[in-house]
Amino acid sequence: GNSVTQMEGPVTLSEEAFLTINCTYTATGYPSLFWYVQYPGEGLQLLLKATKADDKGSNKGFEATYRKETTSFHLEKGSVQVSDSAVYFCALRGPQAGTALIFGKGTTLSVSS
Amino acid sequence: EPEVTQTPSHQVTQMGQEVILRCVPISNHLYFYWYRQILGQKVEFLVSFYNNEISEKSEIFDDQFSVERPDGSNFTLKIRSTKLEDSAMYFCASNSDRSRNQPQHFGDGTRLSIL
Repeated sequence: GNSVTQMEGPVTLSEEAFLTINCTYTATGYPSLFWYVQYPGEGLQLLLKATKADDKGSNKGFEATYRKETTSFHLEKGSVQVSDSAVYFCALRGPQAGTALIFGKGTTLSVSS
Repeated sequence: EPEVTQTPSHQVTQMGQEVILRCVPISNHLYFYWYRQILGQKVEFLVSFYNNEISEKSEIFDDQFSVERPDGSNFTLKIRSTKLEDSAMYFCASNSDRSRNQPQHFGDGTRLSIL
């Protein structure tokens, strides 16, 4: 079945450091891929998405590229801020699996000044 | 920007009691979902709903769960006889289109605590 694997956290960085959160997936067909962010005490917010191979999603300085050959969708940001501290979830929505989102376990990012 | 709203934000209930979690999806959306997140674990799909019927459900969504759209705006999740393991954050989501590239918009969640 479809699944998403994220790197284990927590990830602790200093402000302005480079961020990578790894995400790989298993899916039949060609899924759409998403990154959601959950700030403390809040719900899930869509951060970015990519719907086909080689698409790059970007938002708020974050980027992720849909890599079909490596079945990956790694999240990157060149310079993190304290306000980026949150839990980040990689998710997929497969063409054969109906409309449900399948989430990874989430990666907690903590940025200090 | 339109939002998905959920009430209450926190619900505390005795084991064995019925609980109803409420959601108001974005007004022009047609597809509705419930997910749950047990503390420290990943977000899990429960059920999706379209055209006044369940379109998909997971193994978690057993006979103690039900969903309803009682009017034109609310979408509810009922747990008939709560168990300790039902304690979790429950998220409602909606989207306007079934196509796979339409993102689901989530509410802030209801934290359900079963005592």
